[in-house]
Amino acid sequence: GQNIDQPTEMTATEGAIVQINCTYQTSGFNGLFWYQQHAGEAPTFLSYNVLDGLEEKGRFSSFLSRSKGYSYLLLKELQMKDSASYLCVPLDSGGYNKLIFGAGTRLAVHP
Amino acid sequence: EPEVTQTPSHQVTQMGQEVILRCVPISNHLYFYWYRQILGQKVEFLVSFYNNEISEKSEIFDDQFSVERPDGSNFTLKIRSTKLEDSAMYFCATLGQGVKDINEKLFFGSGTQLSVL
Repeated sequence: GQNIDQPTEMTATEGAIVQINCTYQTSGFNGLFWYQQHAGEAPTFLSYNVLDGLEEKGRFSSFLSRSKGYSYLLLKELQMKDSASYLCVPLDSGGYNKLIFGAGTRLAVHP
Repeated sequence: EPEVTQTPSHQVTQMGQEVILRCVPISNHLYFYWYRQILGQKVEFLVSFYNNEISEKSEIFDDQFSVERPDGSNFTLKIRSTKLEDSAMYFCATLGQGVKDINEKLFFGSGTQLSVL
């Protein structure tokens, strides 16, 4: 089984930086995804971490610490269009057989 | 960019009727999933499919639901005897096995909005 913990809601200002934290407990570990979901739309892939450290991709970066069961998504130079839910999805020992999404973090970016 | 295609985008049906939701996975992907999302709630896992058989299913995925790949390309979700509470957005997702290749990650279709009246 697995347990995912993310803040329910966050707010930030346009142009700022925000860090969305995720702690997880899984039976085994096979990597972690971050997804973005705008209201009424499908989730879209942001990042995949399987090794410890920071993966940077444009304005978005994702960090993983396997020993701490911890990941974060860092969003820089926030834009209004970044207002969305951000979903942390760890893969447990079941691997790709069962990808479970939590409720995610709803981010509101304001001017 | 690779794309998962779902049809129809909207489906309205009467309670008790059967519906079939269709998905065309990304061609070299190996794992297929169905998820649903009731309005305002989280994305819920229904079932995963690998090597032409179900690999995992959730407690939601009871005898009312079935999946198949009828022709080796399409991936369908059948819901028999629909109930009001089946009204939701249904997402198909597919996954390749590559670790480094971004094109083999989990991609979602744009969903089918099912309304049961």
